[in-house]
Amino acid sequence: QKEVEQNSGPLSVPEGAIASLNCTYSDRGSQSFFWYRQYSGKSPELIMFIYSNGDKEDGRFTAQLNKASQYVSLLIRDSQPSDSATYLCAGALGGFKTIFGAGTRLFVKA
Amino acid sequence: DAGITQSPRHKVTETGTPVTLRCHQTENHRYMYWYRQDPGHGLRLIHYSYGVKDTDKGEVSDGYSVSRSKTEDFLLTLESATSSQTSVYFCAISDAGDSSSYEQYFGPGTRLTVT
Repeated sequence: QKEVEQNSGPLSVPEGAIASLNCTYSDRGSQSFFWYRQYSGKSPELIMFIYSNGDKEDGRFTAQLNKASQYVSLLIRDSQPSDSATYLCAGALGGFKTIFGAGTRLFVKA
Repeated sequence: DAGITQSPRHKVTETGTPVTLRCHQTENHRYMYWYRQDPGHGLRLIHYSYGVKDTDKGEVSDGYSVSRSKTEDFLLTLESATSSQTSVYFCAISDAGDSSSYEQYFGPGTRLTVT
């Protein structure tokens, strides 16, 4: 069974700190990975995607991919209370089908 | 929401009744998906479509059927609703994009309660 695993949390960080969200996947054939943010009662919103080993930065967000270790992470710098949400990690299995993790809840304390 | 609407947004129905949820997109994306989201399970794929009249099952397809007669519309039908189908249903769309990454964009969701 192809899986994407996340720690459900909650992860609690103080305002201004770096939040680190992690994800592992079981299928070595997975090619692209995505991070979504989902506020309570809302739909998932794409933050970033990454398909090459290494880091990809977009504003306060950095996605990291290590295919050898089958590990994806999302760093949020200068965390704000508005970043409090559930973060979903997802992997595309070599095409248009995507497997989602169950999500990690993040709380940023003011 | 990238040009994706879902209807209805909320529905309460009784066990045994048929229910149809509609997803409509204005992005001309090839791929469309139906997911359900339940506490502790994340997003689970019900059915997906890779073109007009081309559909296939996802991991939790039992009790659901779909149809796609036009690029912009993807319908999800619960033939005979059961309480276990109480959930939030999300439609998503994707296309290859510049990097063939197939990132998905989600509609606002439909909250379905089966009593």
